[in-house]
Amino acid sequence: GENVEQHPSTLSVQEGDSAVIKCTYSDSASNYFPWYKQELGKRPQLIIDIRSNVGEKKDQRIAVTLNKTAKHFSLHITETQPEDSAVYFCAASKGSNYQLIWGAGTKLIIKP
Amino acid sequence: SQTIHQWPATLVQPVGSPLSLECTVEGTSNPNLYWYRQAAGRGLQLLFYSVGIGQISSEVPQNLSASRPQDRQFILSSKKLLLSDSGFYLCAWQDSYGYTFGSGTRLTVV
Repeated sequence: GENVEQHPSTLSVQEGDSAVIKCTYSDSASNYFPWYKQELGKRPQLIIDIRSNVGEKKDQRIAVTLNKTAKHFSLHITETQPEDSAVYFCAASKGSNYQLIWGAGTKLIIKP
Repeated sequence: SQTIHQWPATLVQPVGSPLSLECTVEGTSNPNLYWYRQAAGRGLQLLFYSVGIGQISSEVPQNLSASRPQDRQFILSSKKLLLSDSGFYLCAWQDSYGYTFGSGTRLTVV
């Protein structure tokens, strides 16, 4: 079955710098890759997703890139702000009738 | 619009007591529903999922059970709680591709 690995487990960056979180997946049939942000004590919330027919997607300071050949995808956050501090989860699935397979999460710390 | 309700928000229960957490979804029919547990500072552990009324799949053998008595209702239960059952319980429904999570129940077993 699918396996998703996420790195690093903790990432500390200076406010204003960029942050990159990487995930790899094992099942080449996976075609949907969402990223969720979970603030302390709150529920995970979808922040951006990408489907396998595109290589990059941007939404303001957040972008996701996908390399299908290498089977990895990354979350990029530019100009980081204190409110970006949270745990970020990547996931992968083969489509709407399939479960999401989750990465273990990355705790992002933004240093003032 | 679709919404998901989960309650209670917090719960403190003694060891050996029963548990019932409820999750309901509005604005959609025949959703895939999920129960996850999250230990403090850890990832998302899938407990149960359901693709329809009465259809429950268990991912992790333990003293928890789940039921789906109605299309939009998903219940997590236990007959006797253990200390290790403490955690943050999240219900989710599958919106086409991604998930929308309920607000979660923080369970402390004492």
